[in-house]
Amino acid sequence: KAGVTQTPRYLIKTRGQQVTLSCSPISGHRSVSWYQQTPGQGLQFLFEYFSETQRNKGNFPGRFSGRQFSNSRSEMNVSTLELGDSALYLCASSFQGEQYFGPGTRLTVT
Amino acid sequence: QKEVEQNSGPLSVPEGAIASLNCTYSDRVSQSFFWYRQYSGKSPELIMSIYSNGDKEDGRFTAQLNKASQYVSLLIRDSQPSDSATYLCAVKEGLSFGAGTTVTVRA
Repeated sequence: KAGVTQTPRYLIKTRGQQVTLSCSPISGHRSVSWYQQTPGQGLQFLFEYFSETQRNKGNFPGRFSGRQFSNSRSEMNVSTLELGDSALYLCASSFQGEQYFGPGTRLTVT
Repeated sequence: QKEVEQNSGPLSVPEGAIASLNCTYSDRVSQSFFWYRQYSGKSPELIMSIYSNGDKEDGRFTAQLNKASQYVSLLIRDSQPSDSATYLCAVKEGLSFGAGTTVTVRA
């Protein structure tokens, strides 16, 4: 089976802009979760989608949003980017709680 | 109090020794627990899942769970230099991660 794919792999944006990240889960997995990873804060949960519905949400401001499509692919959007949003954004598809991570999108905000 | 706490590390062990990693959690409703390994510059990869109290062994890895004490641990036996990585504990059906413990295995 193909693994989790994320696009783009690297992104440089300017403060105030918005960004959309994409994630394609493992075939057959209906749950997709998003995480932000930074050296200081570790791996922080953003949200989880299951069958196009947000099932869980972490403690992030409303600038962070996501959605899931009928084919289980998911997108994450960050609006009004701040310098502190620079991070590795990881997507994971899961089956029975076991999560399989994609390679991540490295976002740099300047 | 953080939802998931891991021993801070870094943990340095000689090759062939046992590396012991600990994790405590605050949410009593958690029913499933996971250990992930993350090499530098790579994504986390699942190495163990455990759902019931007691021990679960998989090769050189043993996970131990004690729900009453809200404690889950990972033992790496016969540590190898290739085990050098950051180990992440996840609880709450895999949605809450600890900060990780960095393990270095000295050859």
